[in-house]
Amino acid sequence: AQSVAQPEDQVNVAEGNPLTVKCTYSVSGNPYLFWYVQYPNRGLQFLLKYITGDNLVKGSYGFEAEFNKSQTSFHLKKPSALVSDSALYFCAVRDIDDYKLSFGAGTTVTVRA
Amino acid sequence: EPEVTQTPSHQVTQMGQEVILRCVPISNHLYFYWYRQILGQKVEFLVSFYNNEISEKSEIFDDQFSVERPDGSNFTLKIRSTKLEDSAMYFCATGTGMREQYFGPGTRLTVT
Repeated sequence: AQSVAQPEDQVNVAEGNPLTVKCTYSVSGNPYLFWYVQYPNRGLQFLLKYITGDNLVKGSYGFEAEFNKSQTSFHLKKPSALVSDSALYFCAVRDIDDYKLSFGAGTTVTVRA
Repeated sequence: EPEVTQTPSHQVTQMGQEVILRCVPISNHLYFYWYRQILGQKVEFLVSFYNNEISEKSEIFDDQFSVERPDGSNFTLKIRSTKLEDSAMYFCATGTGMREQYFGPGTRLTVT
């Protein structure tokens, strides 16, 4: 079985400050890890993924995430947040032998001007 | 940039009626998925479809649900005899392989 935990329902930061959204996962084998963002009344937009290789992956809109196998974490980061980054962020995992994505509950990010 | 499209954006139906939700995948994608998100809850996997057959399905995807790709382009989800608890946002997703999936904007299904 695979699962994802996003321990924070909400993250609030000031514009220009670093943003971190936490994610931990559980899979039986090696994980494929993903971050998606959802804006109001929109679908899920792919941000970035970890498949293999370098533990630090870079994605869209200046976001990056670090895969930490020992801590089973894949935290999303952005060095300097923008008001336009305010949205709902989902972490997702799939086992390499599986088709389905398992999502976390989501973290609402609010960036204040 | 190519996008996954879904129709309708909002469907209201009465309990017991059948609904068909439609998705147009990105053109070179071969893997297709349906997920749903009940208001305030997690996004849940329903079914995956590859090479004209279901490759995996969840416990939610019971005999009430079916999927098909009738004309080689559209990918549909049919819900027979809808129930109140089927009210949710239904997302289609497509991909080129077992990696990232690209999601459509969703269809909001309201069962009354």
